Amino acid sequence: NAGVMQNPRHLVRRRGQEARLRCSPMKGHSHVYWYRQLPEEGLKFMVYLQKENIIDESGMPKERFSAEFPKEGPSILRIQQVVRGDSAAYFCASSPEPRGETQYFGPGTRLLVL
Amino acid sequence: QQQVKQSPQSLIVQKGGIPIINCAYENTAFDYFPWYQQFPGKGPALLIAIRPDVSEKKEGRFTISFNKSAKQFSLHIMDSQPGDSATYFCAASKAAGNKLTFGGGTRVLVKP
Repeated sequence: NAGVMQNPRHLVRRRGQEARLRCSPMKGHSHVYWYRQLPEEGLKFMVYLQKENIIDESGMPKERFSAEFPKEGPSILRIQQVVRGDSAAYFCASSPEPRGETQYFGPGTRLLVL
Repeated sequence: QQQVKQSPQSLIVQKGGIPIINCAYENTAFDYFPWYQQFPGKGPALLIAIRPDVSEKKEGRFTISFNKSAKQFSLHIMDSQPGDSATYFCAASKAAGNKLTFGGGTRVLVKP
């Protein structure tokens, strides 16, 4: 049973480009959470999605960031017009249906903005 | 606004010692408190979790103590080993399955 998968593991973008981060939850999990970890800091919640629905986006910046979890395929976190301050590790977590206590984290995508 | 404060930021112990990590929270609506372990370059992995109706919980060498009135909880690592060297995060959420609010992390180094 594969764990949460994220790709790419490392992503380098120049300022102004777009970054697309993908997350495939564990098999049978329909709840996905995205967190951001700045260097030497804890994880900060960004968004919580179920299939085709955004449940809670209270932690996501209002501009340039968007997330989706389509009926088929992985969840996508999209960052438009990246800036250097977007450089961070982005982690995806999933939990089963009904909502479980445990959130299982993926290995993360490390985004570097030059 | 940081709702979960974690201390210390770093900790060094000898093998066999007992690192203790403390967390304090502000929001009394929190009712689920997990601890995560993270190795460099990896995602966080759940270690152990507790709810406010329990004052202590043990799983292997890991023990959580919980003080509801003080709004504090702590992680003890018994008989620590070099392989326990990692960053540990406490977290809290309002209900199972809701977003997690993380503490700032504690980097633990266990010397052989």
